[in-house]
Amino acid sequence: GNSVTQMEGPVTLSEEAFLTINCTYTATGYPSLFWYVQYPGEGLQLLLKATKADDKGSNKGFEATYRKETTSFHLEKGSVQVSDSAVYFCALSGGTSYGKLTFGQGTILTVHP
Amino acid sequence: GAVVSQHPSWVICKSGTSVKIECRSLDFQATTMFWYRQFPKQSLMLMATSNEGSKATYEQGVEKDKFLINHASLTLSTLTVTSAHPEDSSFYICSARDGGSRTDTQYFGPGTRLTVL
Repeated sequence: GNSVTQMEGPVTLSEEAFLTINCTYTATGYPSLFWYVQYPGEGLQLLLKATKADDKGSNKGFEATYRKETTSFHLEKGSVQVSDSAVYFCALSGGTSYGKLTFGQGTILTVHP
Repeated sequence: GAVVSQHPSWVICKSGTSVKIECRSLDFQATTMFWYRQFPKQSLMLMATSNEGSKATYEQGVEKDKFLINHASLTLSTLTVTSAHPEDSSFYICSARDGGSRTDTQYFGPGTRLTVL
């Protein structure tokens, strides 16, 4: 079946630091890949997505590239802000479970001024 | 963008009572809605998939008689936690897939915090 593995957190950074959150997946076929963000006390918001190999999703300065050869979808941001503090979830849809999202365990990011 | 609402945003109830949570897609028709449960500092656990006009499909280990799901229209799905107990306290989140979209993107509601005393 499908599975998603994220780097364990929590991740603590200073403002303007570079961010990488690793995400690897296991799936058959050609899944779609997503990053969701959850701010404290809120539901999940779609941050970015990629639907095929070599696609790059980007939004709000965050980027992730769909790498089929390494089955990865790492999230990056060149300069984080305090407002980026949240929980980030990598997810996939498709493969053996069309339509259902399989989530990674989530990574807590805290950015200090 | 696509908006999904949930009501109530939080609820406190006594043990043994039933609680209904509503999930609405506000600006699109959702042929499929999903219900998740999230424990503190943990990932989302899919409970069930709800298709408009048909019975929900529950994930393994989820009691369908405990968590009643109804998807009566293309914009509304409800989750009823029957005879709630303290162990049912959790954050319940719904999501909806836009039936008119070619993508499989899910849009999430803001969640409902359930506390059972």
